[in-house]
Amino acid sequence: GDSVTQMEGPVTLSEEAFLTINCTYTATGYPSLFWYVQYPGEGLQLLLKATKADDKGSNKGFEATYRKETTSFHLEKGSVQVSDSAVYFCALSDLSPSNTGKLIFGQGTTLQVKP
Amino acid sequence: GAGVSQSPSNKVTEKGKDVELRCDPISGHTALYWYRQSLGQGLEFLIYFQGNSAPDKSGLPSDRFSAERTGGSVSTLTIQRTQQEDSAVYLCASCLGGLSRSPLHFGNGTRLTVT
Repeated sequence: GDSVTQMEGPVTLSEEAFLTINCTYTATGYPSLFWYVQYPGEGLQLLLKATKADDKGSNKGFEATYRKETTSFHLEKGSVQVSDSAVYFCALSDLSPSNTGKLIFGQGTTLQVKP
Repeated sequence: GAGVSQSPSNKVTEKGKDVELRCDPISGHTALYWYRQSLGQGLEFLIYFQGNSAPDKSGLPSDRFSAERTGGSVSTLTIQRTQQEDSAVYLCASCLGGLSRSPLHFGNGTRLTVT
């Protein structure tokens, strides 16, 4: 079945460092891809999404490009801040009519940014 | 402007007891999801309700788990004869119509501890 694999954490960076969190997927059909973020003490919230190959999702300085040839959706940010410390989840959903639309999540990657 | 509300926020129960977890989705959201988040694990899909369609129960781990959604709004997840491996954070999420049009809005979860 469909699945998502993320790089294992925790990832620890200094403020202003470059961030990459790897995400790869396996899917039948035509998945849309998402990054969700869970800040300490808060619920998960959508960070960005891409619905077709070569689309780039972006939000709050984060970016991810839907790469069909490598089945990847890596999350990047050029300069992280302490406030970016959170758990990041990559997810996919097959939005074709035959699918019920559920999201399949990766295991999450914890990011800790130190001042 | 309330978000997804879950209750209780914490539940401690003895092995073998039944528990009920409640989710109040955002008003007007037709889709409702239950996920489970175990320590060190990703989000595990449990069940999905969409409008009046039959729910997608494919993620329920055993027949001890069941869920219903009354009147297209409030949902209850019931776990019968709880086991220690049921200990996890149970997350509810809702969205307007479908993932192609709106993001999932998550509640803060119910932390279930089975002793």
